[in-house]
Amino acid sequence: AQSVSQHNHHVILSEAASLELGCNYSYGGTVNLFWYVQYPGQHLQLLLKYFSGDPLVKGIKGFEAEFIKSKFSFNLRKPSVQWSDTAEYFCAVNRVGNDYKLSFGAGTTVTVRA
Amino acid sequence: DGGITQSPKYLFRKEGQNVTLSCEQNLNHDAMYWYRQDPGQGLRLIYYSQIVNDFQKGDIAEGYSVSREKKESFPLTVTSAQKNPTAFYLCASNTAQGGSETQYFGPGTRLLVL
Repeated sequence: AQSVSQHNHHVILSEAASLELGCNYSYGGTVNLFWYVQYPGQHLQLLLKYFSGDPLVKGIKGFEAEFIKSKFSFNLRKPSVQWSDTAEYFCAVNRVGNDYKLSFGAGTTVTVRA
Repeated sequence: DGGITQSPKYLFRKEGQNVTLSCEQNLNHDAMYWYRQDPGQGLRLIYYSQIVNDFQKGDIAEGYSVSREKKESFPLTVTSAQKNPTAFYLCASNTAQGGSETQYFGPGTRLLVL
């Protein structure tokens, strides 16, 4: 079965620090890649996605992610975090042709201290 | 106002009881999904449906059942056979056409066992 690994369970950092969350997946075929974010008390919402083309994708709120096919990775980055970025972040992978099912990582809780 | 609604927000289950979680969408999406979210485990797929009157088991279908009689509705029943039902349940939908559409999520239902 396809698996998605997020390297950090909980990340704590100060405002203005840079953030990078790792995500690796195990499937070798064509994939679509997503980062979702769940702010406290809110819906799970899409942060950014990669389907094809430029491997560096930009999402909402200053986030970006880079798809490195050779490393099966899709790491999320933000150069300077804000207190409002405190949330849980999920990496998800869809294997193309697999009924659009998403496989999620375990999630990373990010706490930004003011 | 388009979106996915889930009810109730909190649900309590007694021993041996079946309970049903509601999921409704007015996005005209073909596909709908049920996930279970547990701390430290991310989201795991329970059941999904790509078209009315058809559905497939996900990774953890045991102890759950679903129906898809209408395009906009995909209720999930947690049966007494599910021995560890306490979790946060999320419903999602997407268009299921073209191959790469983003899944949109509802606000979730938290199920607790009395």
